[in-house]
Amino acid sequence: GAGVSQSPSNKVTEKGKDVELRCDPISGHTALYWYRQRLGQGLEFLIYFQGNSAPDKSGLPSDRFSAERTGESVSTLTIQRTQQEDSAVYLCASRRRSRGVQDTQYFGPGTRLTVL
Amino acid sequence: LAKTTQPISMDSYEGQEVNITCSHNNIATNDYITWYQQFPSQGPRFIIQGYKTKVTNEVASLFIPADRKSSTLSLPRVSLSDTAVYYCLVGDPMDTGRRALTFGSGTRLQVQP
Repeated sequence: GAGVSQSPSNKVTEKGKDVELRCDPISGHTALYWYRQRLGQGLEFLIYFQGNSAPDKSGLPSDRFSAERTGESVSTLTIQRTQQEDSAVYLCASRRRSRGVQDTQYFGPGTRLTVL
Repeated sequence: LAKTTQPISMDSYEGQEVNITCSHNNIATNDYITWYQQFPSQGPRFIIQGYKTKVTNEVASLFIPADRKSSTLSLPRVSLSDTAVYYCLVGDPMDTGRRALTFGSGTRLQVQP
């Protein structure tokens, strides 16, 4: 079956512009995560969606970052007024259910964002 | 959240066995240990997960001592294609949200011919 897909794969933008990143999770996966990965660094949690529950936004670095997800479908991560420090790979992961052993996260290929 | 410590980098040669150790001194009773692999320009991929003793699958083995304060990922007879970053994660699978998985900086494994 299809895995997690993300678009665009690469995005180059100018400082101050808004960008929107898209994630298509695996069908039937109720949980969805967004992470940020700076060059040579580990993954930094941003936000988590679980079904129709209120998202866990505790990892968002500033109010310029927001994300939406309708039900158990597509999610979009929006970064407003981009800054150069926003340059990173943004990874999306989905999980079949929010709890459970061996119920791992499946990651997409990421969107590489470069802010000039 | 249980903090993990693992080597920043390791070098090996093709055909050798590689063991990557992760320390997690404050692991909680309900925490499991999970290892992910990440190739350049790709998202992380699940390798193996365990709670105690030894777990083996087609890719790797995971050794966990009785006190569970560390774990060792063992890759048998590595090849060039095993060059990647390996992440050790500790968390309670029954938790939700960010508490489920916390990624550190990982171990960068370089396999030489």
